[in-house]
Amino acid sequence: ETGVTQSPTHLIKTRGQQVTLRCSSQSGHNTVSWYQQALGQGPQFIFQYYREEENGRGNFPPRFSGLQFPNYSSELNVNALELDDSALYLCASSLEGAGNTEAFFGQGTRLTVV
Amino acid sequence: GENVEQHPSTLSVQEGDSAVIKCTYSDSASNYFPWYKQELGKRPQLIIDIRSNVGEKKDQRIAVTLNKTAKHFSLHITETQPEDSAVYFCAATDNYGQNFVFGPGTRLSVLP
Repeated sequence: ETGVTQSPTHLIKTRGQQVTLRCSSQSGHNTVSWYQQALGQGPQFIFQYYREEENGRGNFPPRFSGLQFPNYSSELNVNALELDDSALYLCASSLEGAGNTEAFFGQGTRLTVV
Repeated sequence: GENVEQHPSTLSVQEGDSAVIKCTYSDSASNYFPWYKQELGKRPQLIIDIRSNVGEKKDQRIAVTLNKTAKHFSLHITETQPEDSAVYFCAATDNYGQNFVFGPGTRLSVLP
């Protein structure tokens, strides 16, 4: 098991609502990346945080936003939820950026939008 | 941007046989290629990775090969066991490493 933990594990929200997902990175890791994994597909990159700054963003609208805290834990916020936002949201922690170094995933938060 | 393709999408093998999954990538700047195994309802787990300065890497029954010229890399599993059954994802990233680009996955079934 990795030291990456996410909360909550499951969540049901109504269309139009807002949601906050949380991720605690593995000890010693300073970088957190967030991914969206739709059923039957590979994870899609949302954004990455390195030392509390956004360090890259995928093809997701601005209603997907994030934060990283001084202890390197992170939040993913999604506003104005849409049905298509239903997915498994994964965070991955790594040291000094996800490229060229191992990234370890949390167990994910399964979000259902109804 | 980077694009990763993966084949086959499903693969069934008999226990004890070998399995091979192939991926291609588009960005010649990519230099790190991890493979993840994801069992149903669980997190993706890193099983092996390779960097672009290496052509092959092996870890017990698992090996990965990389052909930089052709921009493809492959996962080889020998002596497959039922517990190898899962979805396998390849990924690629570059030195700027802001993100992994994942392939669509291969569902491997090892039949007893």
